[in-house]
Amino acid sequence: SQELEQSPQSLIVQEGKNLTINCTSSKTLYGLYWYKQKYGEGLIFLMMLQKGGEEKSHEKITAKLDEKKQQSSLHITASQPSHAGIYLCGADVDSSYKLIFGSGTRLLVRP
Amino acid sequence: KAGVTQTPRYLIKTRGQQVTLSCSPISGHRSVSWYQQTPGQGLQFLFEYFSETQRNKGNFPGRFSGRQFSNSRSEMNVSTLELGDSALYLCASSTLQGPGGIQYFGAGTRLSVL
Repeated sequence: SQELEQSPQSLIVQEGKNLTINCTSSKTLYGLYWYKQKYGEGLIFLMMLQKGGEEKSHEKITAKLDEKKQQSSLHITASQPSHAGIYLCGADVDSSYKLIFGSGTRLLVRP
Repeated sequence: KAGVTQTPRYLIKTRGQQVTLSCSPISGHRSVSWYQQTPGQGLQFLFEYFSETQRNKGNFPGRFSGRQFSNSRSEMNVSTLELGDSALYLCASSTLQGPGGIQYFGAGTRLSVL
C-alpha cells in the first residue's frame, strides 16, 4: 500500500548485529501492528501499538510508535537466524475493521 | 486454543471456474477478515464479517464474495476465476467487536489459476 511505506525492502545482516525496520504512514495511525511471515505462510502477530510514544518489547524485538503517530520502528537486538523472515507492518488508518499493510521487509540473518 | 484454520491449503483451478475457501476462527472470536496476498500488490483487504454481517469491504470486483455463519466460520467465494486471482488468501480472526482488535491469521490457502 502506498499509504504505508516500509523500509528497507530487504536486509541481510550478520548474526549478532542489530537492525531497524521502519514503517511510515501518510495518515494518522489509530493502531499499528507488526507481523512476521515465513515465505508462503500465515502472519504471526508480534506487537500492537496504539498510543503515540508507546514502546513495547518482546524478547529481543522492540517496537515504537512516534509521538505524532505516523511512524513506527521495529528494532531487533543481537539478531539470530531464527529472526529471518518477512516483517510486515499493518495499520488501522481510519478506525475501522480493516488493516492496510506495507510491502514488507525481507530479513536474512547470516550465521 | 486452536488457531485460525483455513481449508484447503492448496487449490488449483482453471480460468472461468469458481472456488470456495473456508475459515474457522479462533474459538470465541466473532470477527473474521479476509485478505489477498500477491507479489505485485502485497496484502490487500477483501472484507470483514462480524456476527454474520459484512461491516467493511475492500476494492475488489463483485466476483469476490463472502459470508459468515452463526458459528462464526466464514467462507469466501470467487466466481469466474481469472489468472490474476492466483494468490495466497489469508483469513484473520479477532475478538473485539470494535476497531483495534488484534487480528490473528491462519496459514492461508494458496490458489493457483491456470
